Amino acid sequence: AQSVSQHNHHVILSEAASLELGCNYSYGGTVNLFWYVQYPGQHLQLLLKYFSGDPLVKGIKGFEAEFIKSKFSFNLRKPSVQWSDTAEYFCAVSPGYSSASKIIFGSGTRLSIRP
Amino acid sequence: EAGVTQFPSHSVIEKGQTVTLRCDPISGHDNLYWYRRVMGKEIKFLLHFVKESKQDESGMPNNRFLAERTGGTYSTLKVQPAELEDSGVYFCASSQRTSGGGGTDTQYFGPGTRLTVL
Repeated sequence: AQSVSQHNHHVILSEAASLELGCNYSYGGTVNLFWYVQYPGQHLQLLLKYFSGDPLVKGIKGFEAEFIKSKFSFNLRKPSVQWSDTAEYFCAVSPGYSSASKIIFGSGTRLSIRP
Repeated sequence: EAGVTQFPSHSVIEKGQTVTLRCDPISGHDNLYWYRRVMGKEIKFLLHFVKESKQDESGMPNNRFLAERTGGTYSTLKVQPAELEDSGVYFCASSQRTSGGGGTDTQYFGPGTRLTVL
């Protein structure tokens, strides 16, 4: 069965610190990989996604993620966080055989940024 | 362009009662998904409509849950009778049907309905 594991439940950083959120997935076939974010009081929104090509994916707001197939990982990074990055971050995967299919989410990582 | 909307935003009901949640997808989106997040856990897939047809309902927990999408526009998710473990946030998402070319459609999420069963 497909599953997604996020390493950290809650991460606390100071502004300007670098961020890396770990994500590993379990699935044998081709996958599409996502990071979603939910800011306080807002909808879930897509930060970035990977389905093929360059394994280093750049998203909105200065975020990027690297797909390492051999490690089944898709870690999210940002070189310098801001207070406005306070949110919950979800790593997710969907099977690559269909353009429209369910998404399997990790349990989420809550990121708190100290001003 | 209006996003995905859900109604109500909150619902508090007693065990054994019935609740109906509604989702209006983005206009023109053929794909509609329901997900649920029980407190502290991951967001879990419930089912997927393509227009009015159920494409995948493998995530529906049991037969107390009934989803419909008559006419291929808005969808409803009815829980009858509700149990304590049904409490959580129910999300709806929609995506456009693409003509192919690889990758997956971006799913746009609604704000969710927070359901509390007492």
